[in-house]
Amino acid sequence: NAGVTQTPKFRVLKTGQSMTLLCAQDMNHEYMYWYRQDPGMGLRLIHYSVGEGTTAKGEVPDGYNVSRLKKQNFLLGLESAAPSQTSVYFCASNPTGRLSGYTFGSGTRLTVV
Amino acid sequence: AQSVTQLDSHVSVSEGTPVLLRCNYSSSYSPSLFWYVQHPNKGLQLLLKYTSAATLVKGINGFEAEFKKSETSFHLTKPSAHMSDAAEYFCVVSAPSPNFGNEKLTFGTGTRLTIIP
Repeated sequence: NAGVTQTPKFRVLKTGQSMTLLCAQDMNHEYMYWYRQDPGMGLRLIHYSVGEGTTAKGEVPDGYNVSRLKKQNFLLGLESAAPSQTSVYFCASNPTGRLSGYTFGSGTRLTVV
Repeated sequence: AQSVTQLDSHVSVSEGTPVLLRCNYSSSYSPSLFWYVQHPNKGLQLLLKYTSAATLVKGINGFEAEFKKSETSFHLTKPSAHMSDAAEYFCVVSAPSPNFGNEKLTFGTGTRLTIIP
């Protein structure tokens, strides 16, 4: 099925551990995004990419890194996880970056203990 | 600057009765507005969008929303609720931005819709 696929779906980390979340899209979209969703808050943009080989910071980038080596993949890395990074992470893609509607993945629920 | 306020964190309606989810916005620009729905353990799905064309926007699954500039509102409605409508709904305002990938999306905090059988 066409869309945005996130792996893993669930993960528990210990403080200080590292991990990478993978986002893959098969729609040939140029723009890709990583958001976090916390209780009582709307989604907040962590990092985004406007094309292969590009990345940029969003609203809440601290503690995260990203890479877009291939157009279809957008990786989110946590180098040293902290309890404040406990959240649900959503990846999204968009063909043109403006008004065209976003396709979201089903999310990764991350708990840092 | 822009912001979105979803006036109700939780709405409960009986199956077959109308649904009203309220959203107010503020924006320095002429905004574009969206409603997204999130079913449990699923990603967000676009319900409908307003992009400065008709002020009454029809979306999927019988939902519609009316853009009222004078009231800075974009309320979501459905004439008759169905059990499958139980989900979280997000109102989103978009404005052009040289950062954030050409547009900045601001999400509301969500409204959880419960359908009573």
